[in-house]
Amino acid sequence: QVQLVESGGGVVQPGRSLRLSCAASGFSFSSYAMYWVRQAPGKGLEWVAVISYDGKNEYYADSVKGRFTISRDNSNNTLYLQMNSLRTEDTAPYSCVRGRGTSPLPLRYFDLWGRATLVTVSA
Amino acid sequence: EIVLTQSPGTLSLSPGERATLSCRASQSVSSSYLVWYQQKSGQSPRLLIYGASRRATGTPDRFSGSGSGTDFTLTISRLEPEDFAVYYCQQYGNSPLTFGQGTRLEIK
Repeated sequence: QVQLVESGGGVVQPGRSLRLSCAASGFSFSSYAMYWVRQAPGKGLEWVAVISYDGKNEYYADSVKGRFTISRDNSNNTLYLQMNSLRTEDTAPYSCVRGRGTSPLPLRYFDLWGRATLVTVSA
Repeated sequence: EIVLTQSPGTLSLSPGERATLSCRASQSVSSSYLVWYQQKSGQSPRLLIYGASRRATGTPDRFSGSGSGTDFTLTISRLEPEDFAVYYCQQYGNSPLTFGQGTRLEIK
């Protein structure tokens, strides 16, 4: 079954850290660029970070640059997002998403989404 | 940054009716780089249309996309009960990639 399953979300205080994971199955994970996309209430969809299929290139939205790090383990079909110095405005469900298209990263569209894991940053 | 403005914010229609959803860009977007997603309540978005007019695998043919430049349209020819959801457009022709704020299609 082709799917993406996120985990690792939770409630955390501002300034603290959290690590999200995404387990991929049913497709050749190592062939695709992978993204994290969030959907904050009242703010719509926002891409957060992307990593190339081989893990050699990473790109970040300005809102998280310097605080978040995306990584992947192609041997275990897993995507990660290390989130440091969390802010209240980072509160959102975070989805692991497969990128499609041939444009240079980070410019892709998305053809497979996980169910999301909720991150709540609150004192 | 290209801002995508979707209208209307909410569209109230009955099953069997035709739905027309608009996505307007603040700058020209290549048609190749405009997509539409459907998001049902409690679910993640699902790709419907890519390249402005190409149906993704599994998208029923009652869904069609059209447009160019700054004006794009998603049309549902005859609404089925399962079509009531939120629809988003996205462009990825210019950095940063951006999404519209969504149109909620609700049952009248």
